[in-house]
Amino acid sequence: KQEVTQIPAALSVPEGENLVLNCSFTDSAIYNLQWFRQDPGKGLTSLLLIQSSQREQTSGRLNASLDKSSGRSTLYIAASQPGDSATYLCAVSETGGFKTIFGAGTRLFVKA
Amino acid sequence: NAGVTQTPKFRVLKTGQSMTLLCAQDMNHEYMYWYRQDPGMGLRLIHYSVGEGTTAKGEVPDGYNVSRLKKQNFLLGLESAAPSQTSVYFCASNQRQVNQPQHFGDGTRLSIL
Repeated sequence: KQEVTQIPAALSVPEGENLVLNCSFTDSAIYNLQWFRQDPGKGLTSLLLIQSSQREQTSGRLNASLDKSSGRSTLYIAASQPGDSATYLCAVSETGGFKTIFGAGTRLFVKA
Repeated sequence: NAGVTQTPKFRVLKTGQSMTLLCAQDMNHEYMYWYRQDPGMGLRLIHYSVGEGTTAKGEVPDGYNVSRLKKQNFLLGLESAAPSQTSVYFCASNQRQVNQPQHFGDGTRLSIL
């Protein structure tokens, strides 16, 4: 059974710092991996989607990597800003893409 | 752009009552999903639909029923609510093309006393 783990559960950093969020999964037979952002009281917003054949995706200050063989993904946030404060969730989809397994998330707080 | 709209946003029920949560999307998406999110846990898939008139079970389907009578709507029903179903419920949708990200609604916060 696929399990997704995110470490750390919470993280507090000063503004301007570069940071890395970690995600690990137990079954390497994935369809894709997504990183989402969730603001308090809101739904999830997709940040980056990495297909199983890809190694990384970039969007602005965000870069996500995927290593299927080791069951790991990282989300790199450059030059963090207070507006980046949110919960970041990692999710892997099984073959076919319908069943998506989510991690519990990393709650990020960027101090001004 | 409305995207994915969930109704209601909040609801308090008594044990044994029934209710229906409505999800509507205006993006002409084929696929729709219902998740629940509990504290300290990731989202868990309840049911999903790959098209109008079709539904399938997810990871935690017990105690819930769904219907997809129209392409734009996906309904989640609780026939006899239990305290264990207290949660935040999220609806999501995406296109049929491969590797398309899911779009989420803002959630329905449901408390069952």
